[in-house]
Amino acid sequence: DAGVIQSPRHEVTEMGQEVTLRCKPISGHNSLFWYRQTMMRGLELLIYFNNNVPIDDSGMPEDRFSAKMPNASFSTLKIQPSEPRDSAVYFCASSLGFIEQYFGPGTRLTVT
Amino acid sequence: TQLLEQSPQFLSIQEGENLTVYCNSSSVFSSLQWYRQEPGEGPVLLVTVVTGGEVKKLKRLTFQFGDARKDSSLHITAAQPGDTGLYLCAGAGWGNQFYFGTGTSLTVIP
Repeated sequence: DAGVIQSPRHEVTEMGQEVTLRCKPISGHNSLFWYRQTMMRGLELLIYFNNNVPIDDSGMPEDRFSAKMPNASFSTLKIQPSEPRDSAVYFCASSLGFIEQYFGPGTRLTVT
Repeated sequence: TQLLEQSPQFLSIQEGENLTVYCNSSSVFSSLQWYRQEPGEGPVLLVTVVTGGEVKKLKRLTFQFGDARKDSSLHITAAQPGDTGLYLCAGAGWGNQFYFGTGTSLTVIP
């Protein structure tokens, strides 16, 4: 199994630009999670999908953030417009059920 | 405030020493997981404990779930440089709730 795939691995953009992060979960997994990790706040859950339906988006920081899962094998996290405080490592994880999550390698986002 | 507090936050030890990392909460969890994260990578699942008082061993790592299902510990025997990383506990509540701990950064010096 290829594991969870995320792209890009690194993204550097200017403040105000739109950023789209992509994730391909492990085949057969029915839950997908987006996390953000910073030194100050640790690992934060942003949104959680089950069977492609958003279940809990209470962790999404504000309306500039949106996430979609159009099918079982693809999800996106979009930030528009991006701000310097959005700089972080963004992880996608998938699981069969809810617990025991498998993480991707992450996308390191830098907003200047 | 964090739902799951880990201690210590940072730990630096010599190769061969033993150590224990704690994960504490005032909340009850249906299960608890431990993950290890190496620099530049995502967290990797080590173990899941489900039953209060449960003890699981993974080579030199011993995991215990508290009797009241509110806390957990990770004990490493004879630590090796390859054990270096960020250790994260994560608790699953009832009703699709999932929380990660504050993390313990371990450095094992050769």
